[in-house]
Amino acid sequence: DAKTTQPNSMESNEEEPVHLPCNHSTISGTDYIHWYRQLPSQGPEYVIHGLTSNVNNRMASLAIAEDRKSSTLILHRATLRDAAVYYCILPSGGTSYGKLTFGQGTILTVHP
Amino acid sequence: DAGVIQSPRHEVTEMGQEVTLRCKPISGHNSLFWYRQTMMRGLELLIYFNNNVPIDDSGMPEDRFSAKMPNASFSTLKIQPSEPRDSAVYFCASRIDVTPGSPLHFGNGTRLTVT
Repeated sequence: DAKTTQPNSMESNEEEPVHLPCNHSTISGTDYIHWYRQLPSQGPEYVIHGLTSNVNNRMASLAIAEDRKSSTLILHRATLRDAAVYYCILPSGGTSYGKLTFGQGTILTVHP
Repeated sequence: DAGVIQSPRHEVTEMGQEVTLRCKPISGHNSLFWYRQTMMRGLELLIYFNNNVPIDDSGMPEDRFSAKMPNASFSTLKIQPSEPRDSAVYFCASRIDVTPGSPLHFGNGTRLTVT
């Protein structure tokens, strides 16, 4: 199963863009890239996912490298509410759906 | 939509007692996951079901843990006997597998304390 590597922590200022990187050099051709976040004292919540093309939704954008060995979650204007642990995940289990195994993630701190 | 519902929200029990955690997935979802989170070990996948059938239980720590899904709207995670090291937040999540990448929806978790 493919693994992901993320920085342990990152910091940002409020209202500035944040780029959260993720390396997944052993990704297979059918692996979707998933991003979740966990706010303090809450369960994880879905942020975004993609396969090859860049993706946008109301929460964030996902930029996927052409070789798919890395991706970047982009928060266009960070708010204090975006302070959370961000997880980049590739499903495992050999199916298109598979199970999601969470790593340590990136702790994002947002300064006012 | 009520989301994934877990009960109880908090459970405090003594070592050796049986603990049962409950989960009601989102209606129509066909996959269900049990996770455990501690500071030391992070978020661990314990077991997941698809169409009420256990698919992967490789994360279940030992025989003291068991999980069931008798129907599409209910699942339990049982610990018998409980030990202090089982203290953690237990999350249930569900998903509808219609397209690859379908998101997991998590409940608010059950905080278990074993004294």
